[in-house]
Amino acid sequence: QPVLTQPPSVSGAPGQRVTISCTGSSSNIGAGYDVHWYLQLPGTAPKLLIYANTNRPSGVPDRFSGSKSGTSASLAITGLQTEDEADFYCQSYDSSLSAWVFGGGTKLTVL
Amino acid sequence: EVQLVESGGILVQPGGSLRLSCAASGFVFSSYSMIWVRQAPGKGLEWVSYFSSRNDIIFYADSVKGRFTISRDNDKKSLYLQMDSLRAEDTAVYYCARIGGGYGGSYYFDYWGQGTLVTVSS
Repeated sequence: QPVLTQPPSVSGAPGQRVTISCTGSSSNIGAGYDVHWYLQLPGTAPKLLIYANTNRPSGVPDRFSGSKSGTSASLAITGLQTEDEADFYCQSYDSSLSAWVFGGGTKLTVL
Repeated sequence: EVQLVESGGILVQPGGSLRLSCAASGFVFSSYSMIWVRQAPGKGLEWVSYFSSRNDIIFYADSVKGRFTISRDNDKKSLYLQMDSLRAEDTAVYYCARIGGGYGGSYYFDYWGQGTLVTVSS
């Protein structure tokens, strides 16, 4: 079982807004460790989408935004586009495990 | 342009060994800590190992500790993963990635290779 919990799937129509949650615990997100988000298109390597909870790397559209509160974090995607269909992963560090940990991944379907 | 290119993935029998390589270009390799992450078929991402840019600090996930060995050659701009005593559950695509920043453990991985598939089966 992944240390960080994400919903297996989310969906939305083009143009809509969706959010993906990432729930951790007091040894990872709740301990103050940053949350980062990755996008993985089918058959490709993961790509950094959001780092340090809220920051977008150069080239990532501002339709993608991140937030963090307590033991959870969220990724919001506005103005959904068909090309956004992908798997999304959150990632943090866990002090109890002394390991970098990922969520189980969320598959986004654009209806 | 930052590039990471993995190689070495093949079909290997349980109990066998394998060495993966990751060739880096487009950045000062010696200045960056690096990691290996794997993804079993149809599954999520799992961090495997870490090698620091300074002081040769190394970490392993519990699932591979004692069986895998990470190393790097800064002159060759390459990262390696020696995999011994392989098990069926080690079957995965193995990615190398660069640690782009962060502090106190809150590292993020800003560039990833395309991955190399390791299949452990008899």
